[in-house]
Amino acid sequence: KAGVTQTPRYLIKTRGQQVTLSCSPISGHRSVSWYQQTPGQGLQFLFEYFSETQRNKGNFPGRFSGRQFSNSRSEMNVSTLELGDSALYLCASSLTRGLTEAFFGQGTRLTVV
Amino acid sequence: SQKIEQNSEALNIQEGKTATLTCNYTNYSPAYLQWYRQDPGRGPVFLLLIRENEKEKRKERLKVTFDTTLKQSLFHITASQPADSATYLCALETGTASKLTFGTGTRLQVTL
Repeated sequence: KAGVTQTPRYLIKTRGQQVTLSCSPISGHRSVSWYQQTPGQGLQFLFEYFSETQRNKGNFPGRFSGRQFSNSRSEMNVSTLELGDSALYLCASSLTRGLTEAFFGQGTRLTVV
Repeated sequence: SQKIEQNSEALNIQEGKTATLTCNYTNYSPAYLQWYRQDPGRGPVFLLLIRENEKEKRKERLKVTFDTTLKQSLFHITASQPADSATYLCALETGTASKLTFGTGTRLQVTL
């Protein structure tokens, strides 16, 4: 079966701009989580969506938002980009919530200049 | 404060030996713990999951232990191969949500 697909793979944006990243989970998976990975902070949880509702949110400012559609596809948005937002953004899908393995996409490498 | 530490940033071992990676946590009561492998430029890949009431799990050359008293998990790769070279991450989940808290990772290098 097809894996988790994230688009785009690479993105370069300017400070102050906004960006939207997309994630298509594995078919049948209803839970989508987003993570930010940086060399300094490692992998940090951003938010989790299940049945089109945000179920959990990490410790990130309100500039980071997301949504999930009825087909379980998810998008995350970062507004007013800062240099520190440069990171690898990873999406993970799971069949359901909790006690199950997470399948990660390849990530979107965002560079803010 | 809550902390997850993987006590070796990098580990170099010889092919054929057993690699042992450590994950220690403080101020968590995890429901379960997972181990992932990550190669450069790619997303993490799930390896093993162990519940709080399980002591040990095995999968082929992989073994993970979970000691909730010591607040520690050990991850073993037996008969290691150069293809096992990667960064290994432990992750905790404390509830029923799909919210994983990751350790900083251990970079394993297996040499001939």
